[in-house]
Amino acid sequence: GESVGLHLPTLSVQEGDNSIINCAYSNSASDYFIWYKQESGKGPQFIIDIRSNMDKRQGQRVTVLLNKTVKHLSLQIAATQPGDSAVYFCAVVYSGGGADGLTFGKGTHLIIQP
Amino acid sequence: GAGVSQSPSNKVTEKGKDVELRCDPISGHTALYWYRQRLGQGLEFLIYFQGNSAPDKSGLPSDRFSAERTGESVSTLTIQRTQQEDSAVYLCASSLVRSTGELFFGEGSRLTVL
Repeated sequence: GESVGLHLPTLSVQEGDNSIINCAYSNSASDYFIWYKQESGKGPQFIIDIRSNMDKRQGQRVTVLLNKTVKHLSLQIAATQPGDSAVYFCAVVYSGGGADGLTFGKGTHLIIQP
Repeated sequence: GAGVSQSPSNKVTEKGKDVELRCDPISGHTALYWYRQRLGQGLEFLIYFQGNSAPDKSGLPSDRFSAERTGESVSTLTIQRTQQEDSAVYLCASSLVRSTGELFFGEGSRLTVL
């Protein structure tokens, strides 16, 4: 199976600063990793993903880093904006696992201070 | 519509009543998931449908919970004899290529059991 741990339930940063949200997973056979953003009152929305054959992937203002050695995943958001305030979930896929192998972490609430 | 649609958006019921929650996935998406999200918590897997295969019901918390899906279309989640601890947001998601692709979430059905 797989378990996905949370490093920090709440993260507060100043507008314009960079944010780093962390996630740890347990199963070294996990092969696909996703970050979702959930704004208040809405369903989670896909941000960025990465497969196990990569260690870094960049999107628009976001970067996901994967360290398979220590089973650690992070999401970096550059120059945070008020619209980045949300709960961020990491999700990990272990092919062949239950629930289609998909396990979500508990989420980090990112608060952007003006 | 273009996205995952859930209804009702809000449901208040009395303890002991049955409730039915509906999910319309994105057309063509073969995978459909139900999750439960308690206030301030992460996503708790309930059930997963993939095409015409037998659903993965391993996350259903009790026999009061059941779900059906007609082919690759609408799904209904039924909770019988509701209890106060069933109060939560119930999220539905669909995916084109199972968990190894992006999940598209609906906005959820908020259930309050008095």
